[in-house]
Amino acid sequence: TQLLEQSPQFLSIQEGENLTVYCNSSSVFSSLQWYRQEPGEGPVLLVTVVTGGEVKKLKRLTFQFGDARKDSSLHITAAQPGDTGLYLCADNSGTYKYIFGTGTRLKVLA
Amino acid sequence: NAGVTQTPKFRILKIGQSMTLQCTQDMNHNYMYWYRQDPGMGLKLIYYSVGAGITDKGEVPNGYNVSRSTTEDFPLRLELAAPSQTSVYFCASKKQGANEQFFGPGTRLTVL
Repeated sequence: TQLLEQSPQFLSIQEGENLTVYCNSSSVFSSLQWYRQEPGEGPVLLVTVVTGGEVKKLKRLTFQFGDARKDSSLHITAAQPGDTGLYLCADNSGTYKYIFGTGTRLKVLA
Repeated sequence: NAGVTQTPKFRILKIGQSMTLQCTQDMNHNYMYWYRQDPGMGLKLIYYSVGAGITDKGEVPNGYNVSRSTTEDFPLRLELAAPSQTSVYFCASKKQGANEQFFGPGTRLTVL
């Protein structure tokens, strides 16, 4: 069974700082998604990465997919309080079913 | 276009009671999913459906049942509620061939 481990588990930073969170898989990703979940709401998709070595940018967020497709990182530049939330990675292993990571809970202090 | 709606938002059950969590989507998506999220954790798949009349077990199906009689609705049934089922339950749907899942706002369930 595929396991997705995310690190760090918790992160509390000041507004304007940069940060990176990681997602590592016990097996090769099929297609990796990153979601953000705000308190009291369901997760919302940020990005999907498929190709090893792929880099995608979404405003101040940069997503990187490892060459071996077993790890991914999310880098946030100049974090803002609106970035606060739970960041989840997910993979479907080429099936209809999705596995979610353990999550990184980010708090950005104003 | 309401997306994915879930009812109720909150519920407290006593041990041994049963209830149905409702989920409806108006996007004509084939795939629907039920997840549970325990405090501070990621999501675990309970059941999923690839179309009306077709359901299958996910990672943690014990204690739950589902049905999919229409494309729009995917109710989750809890029989004999146990404290271990205290969690937040999310329903999601997605279009065939797409990766993005659309989630509902969740149902917070407490079993005492």
